[in-house]
Amino acid sequence: AQSVSQHNHHVILSEAASLELGCNYSYGGTVNLFWYVQYPGQHLQLLLKYFSGDPLVKGIKGFEAEFIKSKFSFNLRKPSVQWSDTAEYFCAVKISGTYKYIFGTGTRLKVLA
Amino acid sequence: DADVTQTPRNRITKTGKRIMLECSQTKGHDRMYWYRQDPGLGLRLIYYSFDVKDINKGEISDGYSVSRQAQAKFSLSLESAIPNQTALYFCATSDSRGLAGGTDTQYFGPGTRLTVL
Repeated sequence: AQSVSQHNHHVILSEAASLELGCNYSYGGTVNLFWYVQYPGQHLQLLLKYFSGDPLVKGIKGFEAEFIKSKFSFNLRKPSVQWSDTAEYFCAVKISGTYKYIFGTGTRLKVLA
Repeated sequence: DADVTQTPRNRITKTGKRIMLECSQTKGHDRMYWYRQDPGLGLRLIYYSFDVKDINKGEISDGYSVSRQAQAKFSLSLESAIPNQTALYFCATSDSRGLAGGTDTQYFGPGTRLTVL
């Protein structure tokens, strides 16, 4: 069955530290890839997405993600985190040509001021 | 996203009660979804609807039903609530009619926190 794995369930960083959150999926066909962020008490918001083209995509608030097809990965990065980045981050995969969106279990990021 | 609204935002109910959660959108999207979020499990799809006459079960539809009253409205019902349906429920929309068949990006409502005692 298709699945999305987020390896880090909880991450704690100090401000200005670099961030990388892992996301791997299991599906051999064409996919669209997303990262969503959920700030405390808020709904999910789109951070960035990949459909095609340049595998390095840039999103809002200085986030970027790189699609590595050979590794079935779509890792999220930010060079220097801020306290306001404290949130839960979800990776999601959409199987092309289907309704299926598969979400990872999320990574809780806490940034210490 | 203010374009997708959910009511109520919080609800506490008792086992066996019937509950309806409502979702409305002003984005003009044709597709709507209901998810539940549980700690450590991420989001799981309950039902989805591609248009008013097209409603489909997701991965965890047992104990739930839905109604797509109009393109902009999609309601989720728990006919007889049970404690393990305590969760955060999200409605989402997407538009299939963008470039190359659609953007596939989902837009989420603010969520409904449901507690079943």
